[in-house]
Amino acid sequence: GAVVSQHPSRVICKSGTSVKIECRSLDFQATTMFWYRQFPKQSLMLMATSNEGSKATYEQGVEKDKFLINHASLTLSTLTVTSAHPEDSSFYICSARTGYPLTGGYTFGSGTRLTVV
Amino acid sequence: EDQVTQSPEALRLQEGESSSLNCSYTVSGLRGLFWYRQDPGKGPEFLFTLYSAGEEKEKERLKATLTKKESFLHITAPKPEDSATYLCAVPLDSSYKLIFGSGTRLLVRP
Repeated sequence: GAVVSQHPSRVICKSGTSVKIECRSLDFQATTMFWYRQFPKQSLMLMATSNEGSKATYEQGVEKDKFLINHASLTLSTLTVTSAHPEDSSFYICSARTGYPLTGGYTFGSGTRLTVV
Repeated sequence: EDQVTQSPEALRLQEGESSSLNCSYTVSGLRGLFWYRQDPGKGPEFLFTLYSAGEEKEKERLKATLTKKESFLHITAPKPEDSATYLCAVPLDSSYKLIFGSGTRLLVRP
């Protein structure tokens, strides 16, 4: 139980284009989702917290206009990287707080490797 | 300032050579300390949650312990398949945002 499906797993896009990453909770309702970014050999850095039906809360230093987060339903949160540039290339991971004890109360997506060329 | 620090940054072990990974934390009001395993190109995989000092949890070759200032992940007689990055994390305030340490990259050689 408490599965989060993240798509796509890999995406390559041209500089200046936008890319959308989706995270779906398959068997539970995710009122809160967290979006992380991870550079090679580094840890997960929290980008933003999204709550269903309200605006996302961004961490300090994260550009709201570049990383658009939408959480329009209890099962879907999306991250859109707008006007992507090579420095946006990274591994993006979503997470939902589930309260499901066997997973420690959080479930993570499998991640999206974004490469901007 | 709330902070999570892990050491060592990287660890190389021979198969069967036991060792420990450290996670020290400074947070106001601990709401749990989490250990995850992450394989390259994958999301974190949940291992343990510890809530109070003195608590211990085990899973196969892994054992996690918690004190008031730090947590240890003990790996007994590791195998090559234990090679991964091990992350610890704590929820930050009532928002329950998980804040991660920098991780320990473990390599177990046969």
